[in-house]
Amino acid sequence: EIVMTQSPATLSVSPGESATLSCRASQSVSSHLAWYQQKPGQAPRLLIYGASTRATGIPARFSGSGSGTEFTLTISNLQSEDSAVYYCQQYNNWPPYAFGQGTKLEI
Amino acid sequence: EVQLVESGGVVVQPGGSLRLSCVASGFSFDEYTMHWVRQAPGKGLEWVSLISWDGARTYYADSVKGRLTISRDNSKNSLYLQMNSLRTEDTALYFCSKDISIRGYSGSDFWGQGTLVTVSS
Repeated sequence: EIVMTQSPATLSVSPGESATLSCRASQSVSSHLAWYQQKPGQAPRLLIYGASTRATGIPARFSGSGSGTEFTLTISNLQSEDSAVYYCQQYNNWPPYAFGQGTKLEI
Repeated sequence: EVQLVESGGVVVQPGGSLRLSCVASGFSFDEYTMHWVRQAPGKGLEWVSLISWDGARTYYADSVKGRLTISRDNSKNSLYLQMNSLRTEDTALYFCSKDISIRGYSGSDFWGQGTLVTVSS
């Protein structure tokens, strides 16, 4: 079973700056990785799939990179509305479709 | 517009049963794998189960295998989760979600708002 590990657990960044969130898989997941954003009281929202493809309607400020076991979500020009918990999920070797434990981003 | 609306969440005693439903609209339901994902209060996301677009294939997390059963009725654009032998650790907000890929197995691009299941005596 693949284990997804996200770091850091919490990240505090000022508006206008950039944030880099990391996700590591316990074994290769190729590029079969998605990133989600979840705000309090809301359902998750897909940001990135295939490790680097932005979902429909997602601003270019959000970018994903990586393959194999190391992945990064970068959010540039941070805005207050980017405050949320961000999750990675692998869909290469399943079940289960493992999620990381999440990174809480505070702006 | 894609919409997923879950229902059926209630307070149930340990050992009890209930069935969750998710009604889909705005896309060709019978062409997509569907998922159930849950979130315990204050915790992260946990994938629970998936069912292929034709209902032929189902998969489960080890934590629910043998107790929860996923099914679908493509004629009604509906997804279900039959929950038996419920435990306190099943307490969570249950989301249904649509797979990204037509007739594939990927992440989830659309999610419902969730239905809350509370297992408590």
